[in-house]
Amino acid sequence: NAGVTQTPKFRILKIGQSMTLQCTQDMNHNYMYWYRQDPGMGLKLIYYSVGAGITDKGEVPNGYNVSRSTTEDFPLRLELAAPSQTSVYFCASSRTGMNEKLFFGSGTQLSVL
Amino acid sequence: AQKITQTQPGMFVQEKEAVTLDCTYDTSDQSYGLFWYKQPSSGEMIFLIYQGSYDEQNATEGRYSLNFQKARKSANLVISASQLGDSAMYFCAMREGNNQGGKLIFGQGTELSVKP
Repeated sequence: NAGVTQTPKFRILKIGQSMTLQCTQDMNHNYMYWYRQDPGMGLKLIYYSVGAGITDKGEVPNGYNVSRSTTEDFPLRLELAAPSQTSVYFCASSRTGMNEKLFFGSGTQLSVL
Repeated sequence: AQKITQTQPGMFVQEKEAVTLDCTYDTSDQSYGLFWYKQPSSGEMIFLIYQGSYDEQNATEGRYSLNFQKARKSANLVISASQLGDSAMYFCAMREGNNQGGKLIFGQGTELSVKP
């Protein structure tokens, strides 16, 4: 069972470059989320989606974009990378929006230099 | 406004002893869920335990129990018989009703160190 798969696991970007973090889940979950975790801190929500074609901003959306064209995939796009975006990024999913745990991917460690 | 508060940045516990990790929350919703996740040094997020706002009994999962005090808006995690493998970051989190998109909001975390 794959669960939530994130790629890549590690990436180094130069300032101003762009990239897409991939996230796919094989559990037919409607709800998907992107979080970032700065060192020694909790997770902060970037964007989320409650179904294909529906996305909304979380706590820290600036500098990021998302799309949700299928139930399975929820890519996160970084445009014009900045050092402040150096972080660990987690994708997560759940079947419903309430009384269920989130399943997390293994994370992407991103450094912007 | 911060909705999840973990006031203990770091905790130490002796192996085989019990430890309580504090969590308070703030919400105006009647329906919500409270979660605890463990994050070991390897980085993955491991679900530990869940408590629904309408659950009358405190949740338990093996050595983990959640001390839910609704009137005080607290959801403390109790780990019994600590093991060396319990050394990790622990995060309390809350999901509010569906009209909030089911977002899971996390606290700052507590780093637990288990001493042999």
